[in-house]
Amino acid sequence: HSALTQPPSASGSPGQSVTISCTGTSSDVGGYNYVSWYQQNPGKAPKLMIYEVSKRPSGVPDRFSGSKSGNTASLTVSGLQAEDEADYYCNSYTGRNYVFGTGTKVTVL
Amino acid sequence: QVGLVQSGAEVKDPGASVKVSCKASGYTFTEYYLHWVRQAPGQGLEWMGWINPSSGGTSYAQNFEGRVTMTRDMSISTAYMELNRLRSDDTAVYYCARVYWVTNAFDIWGQGTMVTVSS
Repeated sequence: HSALTQPPSASGSPGQSVTISCTGTSSDVGGYNYVSWYQQNPGKAPKLMIYEVSKRPSGVPDRFSGSKSGNTASLTVSGLQAEDEADYYCNSYTGRNYVFGTGTKVTVL
Repeated sequence: QVGLVQSGAEVKDPGASVKVSCKASGYTFTEYYLHWVRQAPGQGLEWMGWINPSSGGTSYAQNFEGRVTMTRDMSISTAYMELNRLRSDDTAVYYCARVYWVTNAFDIWGQGTMVTVSS
């Protein structure tokens, strides 16, 4: 499986919304409802933000939401805050293995 | 407190092997798969494979087949990742991460282990 495709960068002003796409194939994103999203700050381990396409772990703000249509999943951050500036990665189950997205750097203007 | 603690940084010569450990605490070791993910400097996350701590079963990404071995020691709740025939492009931070088979999400991560391959 090749890496899932994400835009290299996205940006928005505080209070605005930003949406990041994650495009795969019918063998990964499109074939399973096991898409998850991770936030990574510089020098830190990734942190789980969304699992099973749209579920939020305890402690993750409801400003973060996920969805999927066909072979493309999306992460939306509403009401952007300065602390949301980070790298974001999607991940999909592929039937036995897993694949990450290429990553998106989110900048809060 | 649930956590994964990894072994310290390593510096290796090209062609050598490295073995990184990942000690689990605060949960039942055999109830979650352990995965390994690496990140080269300035690059994205790359999934390497998983081990089922209960059975010892493994699955590896095609890119690492034949060069990586994942094992575990249930008596000390520790998983290991050994990578052989190291090359300079194996220089990266290696993470272990816990995955619950129901959600297929990486919910707990180790702190990462920097492996540098250089002559």
